[in-house]
Amino acid sequence: AQSVTQLGSHVSVSEGALVLLRCNYSSSVPPYLFWYVQYPNQGLQLLLKYTTGATLVKGINGFEAEFKKSETSFHLTKPSAHMSDAAEYFCAVSETNDYKLSFGAGTTVTVRA
Amino acid sequence: KAGVTQTPRYLIKTRGQQVTLSCSPISGHRSVSWYQQTPGQGLQFLFEYFSETQRNKGNFPGRFSGRQFSNSRSEMNVSTLELGDSALYLCASSLPLGGTEAFFGQGTRLTVV
Repeated sequence: AQSVTQLGSHVSVSEGALVLLRCNYSSSVPPYLFWYVQYPNQGLQLLLKYTTGATLVKGINGFEAEFKKSETSFHLTKPSAHMSDAAEYFCAVSETNDYKLSFGAGTTVTVRA
Repeated sequence: KAGVTQTPRYLIKTRGQQVTLSCSPISGHRSVSWYQQTPGQGLQFLFEYFSETQRNKGNFPGRFSGRQFSNSRSEMNVSTLELGDSALYLCASSLPLGGTEAFFGQGTRLTVV
């Protein structure tokens, strides 16, 4: 069975500062890893995913994440925060032929002007 | 390309009633999943359907059920509603392969009073 831990339920950053959201997972097999973003009263939108291959994954809106198998981590970063990045972010994991996503508890990002 | 459509967007029901929520997936997507999102429990997997067959089910009581039609549209039903069933119910569609992106609808906000 897989599980996801997101460190920090709230992160506050200044506009232009680095955004770093932490995600650790547990999985009995090599997992598929995802980051989703949710704006208020909206569904989830995929930022990026890791399946196989290159461990540094680039996504939309300037976000990227690095899969580190030895640390069982998949942290999300963005070099320079924008006001529009204020949202809730979810890390998720799925396993081959599992047909479901297991989500972390989410991290709410606020961006200060 | 139209996205995932969930109807209705908002619903208010009374305890003990039943409710049916609808999800139309992206054209060509034959896998449909349902998730419940609450402030206390976060995002939890309900079930996943492919070709009218439930392939995976989360840890929810039997009051929660679903089905998928031949055109891949899906419905979920909750019987004998409880206050704790108040939540945002999200539907996601995808290609029926592990590691592919799940596209989420905007959700149905169910309030049980």
